[in-house]
Amino acid sequence: AQSVTQPDIHITVSEGASLELRCNYSYGATPYLFWYVQSPGQGLQLLLKYFSGDTLVQGIKGFEAEFKRSQSSFNLRKPSVHWSDAAEYFCAVGGKAAGNKLTFGGGTRVLVKP
Amino acid sequence: GAGVSQSPSNKVTEKGKDVELRCDPISGHTALYWYRQSLGQGLEFLIYFQGNSAPDKSGLPSDRFSAERTGGSVSTLTIQRTQQEDSAVYLCASSPLAGAYEQYFGPGTRLTVT
Repeated sequence: AQSVTQPDIHITVSEGASLELRCNYSYGATPYLFWYVQSPGQGLQLLLKYFSGDTLVQGIKGFEAEFKRSQSSFNLRKPSVHWSDAAEYFCAVGGKAAGNKLTFGGGTRVLVKP
Repeated sequence: GAGVSQSPSNKVTEKGKDVELRCDPISGHTALYWYRQSLGQGLEFLIYFQGNSAPDKSGLPSDRFSAERTGGSVSTLTIQRTQQEDSAVYLCASSPLAGAYEQYFGPGTRLTVT
């Protein structure tokens, strides 16, 4: 069965500092990997996705993620955090073997200090 | 263009009553998904529609839950005889096709069962 682990429930970062959110997945076939962001009271917004090809993918809002098959990881990074990046971030895995449904991690809540 | 819309945004109901939640996917998207987001369980897949194929109902938690999709567009999730544990945010998502396509989420319906 597929699963996603986000080891950090909360992360606090100072504005302007770098951010890295960890994601580890378990999937029995070629994974499709996603990062979504959810602001309070809002739905999920797609930040970026990995299907194949270049393992470093760029997304919106200055985010990037790197797929590392050997580590079953898909960590999200941003070089310089803005106060508006305070939100909850979800990593998800899906693919044809899963019937196209997404399995989400538990989420990481990011707090940004001024 | 318009994104995924859901109605109502909030619903408060008494235990034992039936509720209907509506989802309007992005025009032209053939795949539609329902997920549930709750404090205890995180984000869980419920059901998935793809074109005229039989829906994948593998995530529905009980036979009190059902969903239909009319005309390949609008979907309704029905919960019969609601219980307090049904309280959650119900999220709908759509994608252009099943498979290697990202899912776009609506703002959700917050259901509170009293």
